[in-house]
Amino acid sequence: AQSVTQLDSQVPVFEEAPVELRCNYSSSVSVYLFWYVQYPNQGLQLLLKYLSGSTLVESINGFEAEFNKSQTSFHLRKPSVHISDTAEYFCAVSEDTGRRALTFGSGTRLQVQP
Amino acid sequence: GAGVSQSPSNKVTEKGKDVELRCDPISGHTALYWYRQSLGQGLEFLIYFQGNSAPDKSGLPSDRFSAERTGGSVSTLTIQRTQQEDSAVYLCASSQSLGTNEQFFGPGTRLTVL
Repeated sequence: AQSVTQLDSQVPVFEEAPVELRCNYSSSVSVYLFWYVQYPNQGLQLLLKYLSGSTLVESINGFEAEFNKSQTSFHLRKPSVHISDTAEYFCAVSEDTGRRALTFGSGTRLQVQP
Repeated sequence: GAGVSQSPSNKVTEKGKDVELRCDPISGHTALYWYRQSLGQGLEFLIYFQGNSAPDKSGLPSDRFSAERTGGSVSTLTIQRTQQEDSAVYLCASSQSLGTNEQFFGPGTRLTVL
């Protein structure tokens, strides 16, 4: 069975400061890794994904995440956040086998303050 | 193109009543998933369809929950004899059957059981 741990339930940060949202996973097989974002009163949107190849993946709005196999981590970072980044962020994993369900972490609420 | 759509967006029902929730996946996506998002349990997988068959029903919480998919497209999640603990946002996602399991989510149906 796989599991995902997001260690921080809430992360307050000031605008233009850097941020890191932590994600660790556990799985006995190879996995695909995802970060989803949920803005207030909206659905889940895919932010970025690690499938294979380069361990550093980037999104169009400045977020990046690095897959670290030895530490089983997939932390999300942004060098300078905006007010509009305020949202809940979910890390998720699926196995690259027949079981296709996503297992989600408990989420991290990023609150960007002016 | 059109994304995943779900209806109704909100549903209020009385304890003991049956409810049906509908999901219309992205055209051409043969894989369809139901998840539930609640305050106490986070995001939980319920069931996965490949075409019209459901190879993974492991997340359905009780036999009051059932789902079907017809024509390889629309899916209906049915909850019989609803209980207050069924109150949650029910999310549907779809993906292409091959490849990396990137799932696209609908806006969800908020179910409130009084």
